[in-house]
Amino acid sequence: SQQGEEDPQALSIQEGENATMNCSYKTSINNLQWYRQNSGRGLVHLILIRSNEREKHSGRLRVTLDTSKKSSSLLITASRAADTASYFCATGGANSKLTFGKGITLSVRP
Amino acid sequence: DTEVTQTPKHLVMGMTNKKSLKCEQHMGHRAMYWYKQKAKKPPELMFVYSYEKLSINESVPSRFSPECPNSSLLNLHLHALQPEDSALYLCASSQGRGTGNTIYFGEGSWLTVV
Repeated sequence: SQQGEEDPQALSIQEGENATMNCSYKTSINNLQWYRQNSGRGLVHLILIRSNEREKHSGRLRVTLDTSKKSSSLLITASRAADTASYFCATGGANSKLTFGKGITLSVRP
Repeated sequence: DTEVTQTPKHLVMGMTNKKSLKCEQHMGHRAMYWYKQKAKKPPELMFVYSYEKLSINESVPSRFSPECPNSSLLNLHLHALQPEDSALYLCASSQGRGTGNTIYFGEGSWLTVV
């Protein structure tokens, strides 16, 4: 069963705007990761944030983690058409399994 | 670009066929994975190998048989599949088995069972 639940399920924005995607989960985690998947392709790792971290940055990406609310957010700033993809959060717990959420479809209009 | 290579990219097989999916990585990773992904769904874990030994089998039907010949290779042998097994099969690898490791995915093998 999925652990992470992304919100919204679909997001459409104009190029240049910021995109914010949220992920909520149910049980305690050791870390949380975000992945991107272009249509019909493999998944690309974006960022990993550990349970003792609150925020991480990578280029135009900013990820936050609030373990008290069991939630994470992924912010993509100054979006580009090439950011159009599905985005998944994945939670890692003590069982060594990475469990993916249902995913968010992001469309960036040129 | 991914450093996990999967072949073939596309496979069509009949329900009585025997075929194999292959995966290779040369990053020195000691954990390798098979995931199954249906359209518009998240990847679902099938198998995990750690140091060439099967460590997790997510109750996958025996018509799927994984094999890890060495630390760089991972195969998935397919036999007597059903049409509902049609999906994207993703191979992945990571430095170690723990979820604190970044997992690198291949581009996947699209399987169609007819």
